[in-house]
Amino acid sequence: QKEVEQDPGPLSVPEGAIVSLNCTYSNSAFQYFMWYRQYSRKGPELLMYTYSSGNKEDGRFTAQVDKSSKYISLFIRDSQPSDSATYLCAMRAAGGTSYGKLTFGQGTILTVHP
Amino acid sequence: ETGVTQTPRHLVMGMTNKKSLKCEQHLGHNAMYWYKQSAKKPLELMFVYNFKEQTENNSVPSRFSPECPNSSHLFLHLHTLQPEDSALYLCASSPRGGLADPWDEQFFGPGTRLTVL
Repeated sequence: QKEVEQDPGPLSVPEGAIVSLNCTYSNSAFQYFMWYRQYSRKGPELLMYTYSSGNKEDGRFTAQVDKSSKYISLFIRDSQPSDSATYLCAMRAAGGTSYGKLTFGQGTILTVHP
Repeated sequence: ETGVTQTPRHLVMGMTNKKSLKCEQHLGHNAMYWYKQSAKKPLELMFVYNFKEQTENNSVPSRFSPECPNSSHLFLHLHTLQPEDSALYLCASSPRGGLADPWDEQFFGPGTRLTVL
């Protein structure tokens, strides 16, 4: 079983739609959760960073963590064509030998069409 | 130049060639990373350097040889690669290396697209 599971999509939505991207994980040591956005021919860039369970909002983006279900989500409101990219979830444990390592999901390809 | 730069952006090599990938960060960070990104697979961490010292080797085959001469430069020397090594190789840097600070953010370069024939 992979440590982090992410539906690769592709996901295609019309402009203005609400997008929901999700990851599940199996390692209960993961405490820090990230979402990266990767445009074509570019490296990933950090979009959201959260700790433990709860919600975090930044503009049109909301990151949600449910540690009891080992499930994280990224919601994009009023999606725009410029949101078309691959979205990667990533996680980090607290403490132990893997403290600094990021474990990534496979990435979900999102296309927002006008 | 700002951020993290990588050269070359594209590389095609035969299995018997020797080539090197270069990464440079202009952010004053102390940690640098090599990742491999293959189609339909998660990013795989290959190597981590903190203050020029290698602190992580994620069971990478010896045909990949990293070098970190200073905190701003990172190289990945390649020799006798296999076709399955074809992938996007991403370099990243972070201020503190993550080991002491879980909020340590990694900044990625644009990657080198490697094709092994």
